[in-house]
Amino acid sequence: NAGVTQTPKFQVLKTGQSMTLQCAQDMNHNSMYWYRQDPGMGLRLIYYSASEGTTDKGEVPNGYNVSRLNKREFSLRLESAAPSQTSVYFCASEGNYGYTFGSGTRLTVV
Amino acid sequence: AQSVTQLGSHVSVSEGALVLLRCNYSSSVPPYLFWYVQYPNQGLQLLLKYTSAATLVKGINGFEAEFKKSETSFHLTKPSAHMSDAAEYFCAVSDRYNAGNMLTFGGGTRLMVKP
Repeated sequence: NAGVTQTPKFQVLKTGQSMTLQCAQDMNHNSMYWYRQDPGMGLRLIYYSASEGTTDKGEVPNGYNVSRLNKREFSLRLESAAPSQTSVYFCASEGNYGYTFGSGTRLTVV
Repeated sequence: AQSVTQLGSHVSVSEGALVLLRCNYSSSVPPYLFWYVQYPNQGLQLLLKYTSAATLVKGINGFEAEFKKSETSFHLTKPSAHMSDAAEYFCAVSDRYNAGNMLTFGGGTRLMVKP
């Protein structure tokens, strides 16, 4: 089925560990986004990419890096995880009819 | 900067009762406004959107929302709640840029439907 695929679905990290969250879309969309969801705060934009090879900071970029190597894939990297990064992470891509969201990655940093 | 306020983090209604979820926005330009629904352990799904056409917008699953510029509001309603409507609802405002729309979300409202 066409859509946005995120991996992994769940992850537990120790403080200081690194990891990359993967996101891929098969809808030929140009724009892609990474959000984090925390209780009572809705979704907050971490980074976005308007097209292949371009990325820009969103509202809460500190502690994260992103990579848009091709049109399909937009990855989010945590270089040194902190407990404050415990959250649910959503990737989305944008087409003519709006956003399509992935099913999320639930990350716990202990 | 855009912002969205959703009044009431939790709303409880009885099955068959009116659903009203409140959203107020702040925007320096004519806004695009959205309502999304999130079921447990899933991503967000678009319910409806306002993009400067008709002020009363009809969405999926019997929901609708009315854009009121004078009140800077975009409240979501459904005449009769169903058990399957229990979910979290997010209002969002769009900040348009060259390539698309960055969404700013409200804090969400969890709708509970009692039998």
